[in-house]
Amino acid sequence: DAKTTQPTSMDCAEGRAANLPCNHSTISGNEYVYWYRQIHSQGPQYIIHGLKNNETNEMASLIITEDRKSSTLILPHATLRDTAVYYCIVVNAGGTSYGKLTFGQGTILTVHP
Amino acid sequence: EPEVTQTPSHQVTQMGQEVILRCVPISNHLYFYWYRQILGQKVEFLFSFYNNEISEKSEIFDDQFSVERPDGSNFTLKIRSTKLEDSAMYFCASSGDRVIIGYGYTFGSGTRLTVV
Repeated sequence: DAKTTQPTSMDCAEGRAANLPCNHSTISGNEYVYWYRQIHSQGPQYIIHGLKNNETNEMASLIITEDRKSSTLILPHATLRDTAVYYCIVVNAGGTSYGKLTFGQGTILTVHP
Repeated sequence: EPEVTQTPSHQVTQMGQEVILRCVPISNHLYFYWYRQILGQKVEFLFSFYNNEISEKSEIFDDQFSVERPDGSNFTLKIRSTKLEDSAMYFCASSGDRVIIGYGYTFGSGTRLTVV
């Protein structure tokens, strides 16, 4: 699976949009970009995923650049409960990995009042 | 919303003892995973399970670990002769599809294992 690079930490004011970047310059054509988050040692929680197109769900939006080498997770109106570690993970949709997730260090997002 | 349930939430054991961690995955899921997270470190893959057998495992998953599905649905992860370095959060997860489409994995809330 392609390696990802994320900033170590970011801050955001409550009510503002949080934009979390991720670089995955070695991503291959059949690899998806997934975002998970982990709130204080709880189990990681799925947020969103995408292949080529931008995606939106009730939690967030995912913007993937045209060359697929980077992406941005957007939390449109961050709340204090969004304070967590956010992981950008590239997953091979085929092969023999059976969906193994390789977690990096992620980005610690702190939302301030 | 369906959940993955793990018990116990916290287990304290003495070094050298055996521990059993339990997981009830989402009932219609087909792929199952275990991860662990040592305090302050990354979430690490242990193994995946599909079609009643381990499909992939990491180098962490050595002979001291074993997994069973005693009733075909629930999982038990057994750690024989625990070591201090086995202290970690252990997460169980399940997925309905290998391509992880849709809501992807669902993780349980974990078991915190403390070896003293």
